[in-house]
Amino acid sequence: GEDVEQSLFLSVREGDSSVINCTYTDSSSTYLYWYKQEPGAGLQLLTYIFSNMDMKQDQRLTVLLNKKDKHLSLRIADTQTGDSAIYFCAETRGGGKLIFGQGTELSVKP
Amino acid sequence: DVKVTQSSRYLVKRTGEKVFLECVQDMDHENMFWYRQDPGLGLRLIYFSYDVKMKEKGDIPEGYSVSREKKERFSLILESASTNQTSMYLCATRAFSSSGNTIYFGEGSWLTVV
Repeated sequence: GEDVEQSLFLSVREGDSSVINCTYTDSSSTYLYWYKQEPGAGLQLLTYIFSNMDMKQDQRLTVLLNKKDKHLSLRIADTQTGDSAIYFCAETRGGGKLIFGQGTELSVKP
Repeated sequence: DVKVTQSSRYLVKRTGEKVFLECVQDMDHENMFWYRQDPGLGLRLIYFSYDVKMKEKGDIPEGYSVSREKKERFSLILESASTNQTSMYLCATRAFSSSGNTIYFGEGSWLTVV
């Protein structure tokens, strides 16, 4: 399909790991991104991964990239209530366009 | 720090009015983008500009136009606002560097068309 796909909701308990999944469409995307949006705020870049990498780790965040399946995931270790937000994945397409998924709303319960 | 400023955070306009949404960046970035964000649909690209006076349609350009007369300013224009254009509008800019390809967003403009 043409769309970047994410599931809309994820609920976890505080202290658990969260895994947010994304399927993208353009196998030639050079960079793939994860953004976080808190209520009433703009988008904040969390991390990105270059297409020649399989994994990137940054403190509690781990990004996994499976180019064969065009699958991207974001793992948040030791999830906290402050991690509750909407998370967007995005891919770069030809001509410089940046295309986003629908966003996954992460709810962290105490 | 990069600053992307959207001039209006909240606007209420009447159907048929002409609406201007302004975005200004202070980092000399070539690429600028306008998105709209709607629940369950994520961010959808309206237009983007890869340099001054250069623009390209995104996925949903109908009912919108843009202007990029100066590098730092990218304007989104609704020629005749309609209720289905009620949404949050996000401006973004992109920097290219050896360490990556980073996109910066403004805080968003909430537009209600009544």
